[in-house]
Amino acid sequence: SQQGEEDPQALSIQEGENATMNCSYKTSINNLQWYRQNSGRGLVHLILIRSNEREKHSGRLRVTLDTSKKSSSLLITASRAADTASYFCATDGGRGSTLGRLYFGRGTQLTVWP
Amino acid sequence: DTEVTQTPKHLVMGMTNKKSLKCEQHMGHRAMYWYKQKAKKPPELMFVYSYEKLSINESVPSRFSPECPNSSLLNLHLHALQPEDSALYLCASSQGSVLPTNEKLFFGSGTQLSVL
Repeated sequence: SQQGEEDPQALSIQEGENATMNCSYKTSINNLQWYRQNSGRGLVHLILIRSNEREKHSGRLRVTLDTSKKSSSLLITASRAADTASYFCATDGGRGSTLGRLYFGRGTQLTVWP
Repeated sequence: DTEVTQTPKHLVMGMTNKKSLKCEQHMGHRAMYWYKQKAKKPPELMFVYSYEKLSINESVPSRFSPECPNSSLLNLHLHALQPEDSALYLCASSQGSVLPTNEKLFFGSGTQLSVL
């Protein structure tokens, strides 16, 4: 499977703490994306990092990418109860993959307690 | 308007019914997607349309039939479904032609389908 694998599968923290989720993948990539999904809803794009980038920030989000280890991490700082959701990484499969396919990992379920 | 709108939000159907899921976007996006998602699992790609032409069919059973009447609309026709087809069906769109390397997907809220 070319899908990413998120780690941990579930994470439970208190408000104000930082949350770190990791994603590993198997093939080369052109970019890696992170999405959030609230229960029973659609996915919302959070951030895209290109294969030639190592780190990217967006508000309270920080994403890192290590292509040599085929891994990425998503850090949410100063978490809030509203951050409770499932977080998925998604990769495009890199060169040779069919355009249009985005491979989603299994996801991390984050619960932030007030 | 940065929304992808899906209707209905919930659908219950019998195995002999015929129903359709609808998806609409007015962002001028030229690629549209259907995903299926089971509970606590990642979304699985079903179909991709690029410029109103079907470009990817991920070996989906023929009881699912996609249709793209125009660049803003995407339908998924359902017929003779099985209980195991019960899932959240998500529509998505992206700006250009079939997900060039640096594009993001915009998702609708999904249709929660139950097949009895």
